[in-house]
Amino acid sequence: DVKVTQSSRYLVKRTGEKVFLECVQDMDHENMFWYRQDPGLGLRLIYFSYDVKMKEKGDIPEGYSVSREKKERFSLILESASTNQTSMYLCASSQRQGFFVSQPQHFGDGTRLSIL
Amino acid sequence: DQQVKQNSPSLSVQEGRISILNCDYTNSMFDYFLWYKKYPAEGPTFLISISSIKDKNEDGRFTVFLNKSAKHLSLHIVPSQPGDSAVYFCAATLLGVGNEKLTFGTGTRL
Repeated sequence: DVKVTQSSRYLVKRTGEKVFLECVQDMDHENMFWYRQDPGLGLRLIYFSYDVKMKEKGDIPEGYSVSREKKERFSLILESASTNQTSMYLCASSQRQGFFVSQPQHFGDGTRLSIL
Repeated sequence: DQQVKQNSPSLSVQEGRISILNCDYTNSMFDYFLWYKKYPAEGPTFLISISSIKDKNEDGRFTVFLNKSAKHLSLHIVPSQPGDSAVYFCAATLLGVGNEKLTFGTGTRL
């Protein structure tokens, strides 16, 4: 079974702090993703990475950055946390997609981040 | 601009009856669609998918229907069970290497 592990289930930080969210997958997947989930807005993609040291902006990258130094690890960084970044953060991974089938994304259990 | 829409935030169905969850999309380039199920305090899990070359895909109690002309898909659960109570997200993507991004709907709580 694919295992995607997020380092914290709950996190409380203060406005202006630099925040690191860590994600590790154990299935040698090429692709990794960071989403945030907010009520009424569904899952919105922040950043994704399709290879080590590669990154692509998602739909809402402002205020975030990412790092992928190793294939199994994908970090989300809030450069200067703000209250509007209070949310549930979900990490996912998947195999490289082909031309005829999309590989499902496998999700971690999420980090509920509160910025005070 | 919401490219994938789930217009019903919630749905209530009796055990044993059919649950029908709907999803509309606006981008006609999407050619692959997926449904995910999410329990509280857990990440979403993949449920079923369909390619745009098909109009139906079945897996046990779950069937997904795709109407390309209407840009509409639906998930049927028959018969519904208490364990099906969750939030269901539909998602859409473009096939091909480098297009791994999924666009999710806002979810329907069943």
